[in-house]
Amino acid sequence: RKEVEQDPGPFNVPEGATVAFNCTYSNSASQSFFWYRQDCRKEPKLLMSVYSSGNEDGRFTAQLNRASQYISLLIRDSKLSDSATYLCVVAPFSGNTGKLIFGQGTTLQVKP
Amino acid sequence: DTAVSQTPKYLVTQMGNDKSIKCEQNLGHDTMYWYKQDSKKFLKIMFSYNNKELIINETVPNRFSPKSPDKAHLNLHINSLELGDSAVYFCASSLSRGPETQYFGPGTRLLVL
Repeated sequence: RKEVEQDPGPFNVPEGATVAFNCTYSNSASQSFFWYRQDCRKEPKLLMSVYSSGNEDGRFTAQLNRASQYISLLIRDSKLSDSATYLCVVAPFSGNTGKLIFGQGTTLQVKP
Repeated sequence: DTAVSQTPKYLVTQMGNDKSIKCEQNLGHDTMYWYKQDSKKFLKIMFSYNNKELIINETVPNRFSPKSPDKAHLNLHINSLELGDSAVYFCASSLSRGPETQYFGPGTRLLVL
């Protein structure tokens, strides 16, 4: 079983749609969680951290369910510029090394 | 005023050659990383240095040797290149060695023929 699993997609949605991505992780001792965004042929960039209480940043909402080892990202009112690959990222308990485990990514294509 | 820079951006070379990739960050961060992103888009940690000290050394062939002359620089030298080394190599940095935001360089696209 992969340490971080995501549906690779692609998810093809029209502008204005709401889309949700899910991610599961295998190590219950994982300590921190993130969503990164990677545009085609570019470097990954932090989109948002994921907190136990859930957090929202504009049209983006991230949630964490530690009991089910599940992370989600909800994008409301999709824009063409949201088209990218969204990477679920988990920091395992690693003795404070900064190690991050990346999922394969979920590709989103927003169509006009 | 690029935060994390890598050179070269593209590298095309023959099997068996030795090549180096350089990375520099001007963010004042203590920790730097090398990642490999293969054709299936999986991004995997290879090495990490904190203040010039090696702290992560994943299962990577010993043909790959990182070197950190100072905390702003982390280079990657690859000996005897193989076809399977073809990938995008990303350098990243973070403020410290905790689980925090990592800032990535633009990547080096390596193609081994």
